[in-house]
Amino acid sequence: EPEVTQTPSHQVTQMGQEVILRCVPISNHLYFYWYRQILGQKVEFLVSFYNNEISEKSEIFDDQFSVERPDGSNFTLKIRSTKLEDSAMYFCASRPLAGGTDTQYFGPGTRLTVL
Amino acid sequence: GNSVTQMEGPVTLSEEAFLTINCTYTATGYPSLFWYVQYPGEGLQLLLKATKADDKGSNKGFEATYRKETTSFHLEKGSVQVSDSAVYFCALRRSGNTPLVFGKGTRLSVIA
Repeated sequence: EPEVTQTPSHQVTQMGQEVILRCVPISNHLYFYWYRQILGQKVEFLVSFYNNEISEKSEIFDDQFSVERPDGSNFTLKIRSTKLEDSAMYFCASRPLAGGTDTQYFGPGTRLTVL
Repeated sequence: GNSVTQMEGPVTLSEEAFLTINCTYTATGYPSLFWYVQYPGEGLQLLLKATKADDKGSNKGFEATYRKETTSFHLEKGSVQVSDSAVYFCALRRSGNTPLVFGKGTRLSVIA
């Protein structure tokens, strides 16, 4: 069964460094998302992406964050200058169609630790 | 705004016990409702969903009914197994393209 994959599974970085989290959505999916989960807290929406542009973003998704679909398969989240409070599990998700009631499929997550 | 409230965990049950995890929501309009499960070391997996009032979602022995009058979507299972140990997240989505809004998650531990 097709699945969303994410790399790396765990990233450790120093405060102020740039990180890129990578996701490969399911191949025929059109809508892509990033969520994060700070330890012990809710899963929070960051950004959605459709037709090569941001569709919606939350307050969390400030100028330090960016997303890109550099080719036909990858979907990346970049944090330009990491802060301690960016430490979290980051989940990528994708869904096949725009509109309707179809499901978002999640990847296994990347645990980001900022020291 | 839209929000989801679910019961605090952790919940510890013996094998074959009955499970209820409460979930209530606040939303405008008629959201779709979901339960996701996160097994240890894994990502979020859709467990079940319901898209309109009085719908019942079911999967792997779990059930939840969309109750508009009480704005609830409680998760139930008649007889839990050790393999059901995981974190369970209730979530809503306002419309097709909008992001999911999650509850805080409830950790379930089932002991043999």
